[in-house]
Amino acid sequence: RKEVEQDPGPFNVPEGATVAFNCTYSNSASQSFFWYRQDCRKEPKLLMSVYSSGNEDGRFTAQLNRASQYISLLIRDSKLSDSATYLCVVNRGTDKLIFGTGTRLQVFP
Amino acid sequence: GAVVSQHPSWVICKSGTSVKIECRSLDFQATTMFWYRQFPKQSLMLMATSNEGSKATYEQGVEKDKFLINHASLTLSTLTVTSAHPEDSSFYICSARDTSRVSYNEQFFGPGTRLTVL
Repeated sequence: RKEVEQDPGPFNVPEGATVAFNCTYSNSASQSFFWYRQDCRKEPKLLMSVYSSGNEDGRFTAQLNRASQYISLLIRDSKLSDSATYLCVVNRGTDKLIFGTGTRLQVFP
Repeated sequence: GAVVSQHPSWVICKSGTSVKIECRSLDFQATTMFWYRQFPKQSLMLMATSNEGSKATYEQGVEKDKFLINHASLTLSTLTVTSAHPEDSSFYICSARDTSRVSYNEQFFGPGTRLTVL
C-alpha cells in the first residue's frame, strides 16, 4: 500500500464548477501536509500547506482530518488555468517529502 | 526569491555513457538539497539527500555507486548518472531547502531534467 494515496482522475469539470480532491496517508507520524500543483513536464509548485483548522487561499480550501488521516482540497469557481495535476504531500517531520501520484484536473470551457 | 535552477533541462545520451545534472540555488544558500526521480504517471520519489560538505544519504533501493552526488558548495549539488541505461530514462528534479526561512520544511524545486537514454 502506498503511503499517500490519491484518486488519479482525471476530473473533467466545466469552468466555474467546484471540485474536490481527497487524499489519505497511512503513516500516523506524519506531521506536515501540503498540496502541490504540477503542470505537464514541469516541476511541482507549492499550492498551500494544510492545517488541522483548515485553511483557505482565495478559491482554494484545504482541510486535514488527523483522526481519519485524510486531506482534502476544494477548488471553487474553476478556471481553465487550474488544469494541472494536484499532488498531495506529507512530511514526517524529517526532510523527506512523500508525494502522492497526483490527481489530474482538466477544466473545459 | 528562492529560485532553483537545473542544467541541462533535457539530455539524450547513448547507453553506457555518464550524465551529469547540476542543481543550483540562485538566491539563497542550501546546506541540504534533494534529488527526486519521476517516471511517467508516477509520483516523485526521493532518491537521495545531498548535504553540503558530507556524504549524501540515499534512499533504500537507490544505488549510490550509480547515482553519484556531490554537494561541493552551498549553492550547487550535482547528480551523475553513471553508465546510464534505458531504464534510467526519467524526469530528475532537485529541490533545496532554505534554512533561513521561517517555513523550515519548505522545499523549492528546480525545473527538472528530462533524461532519455537510447
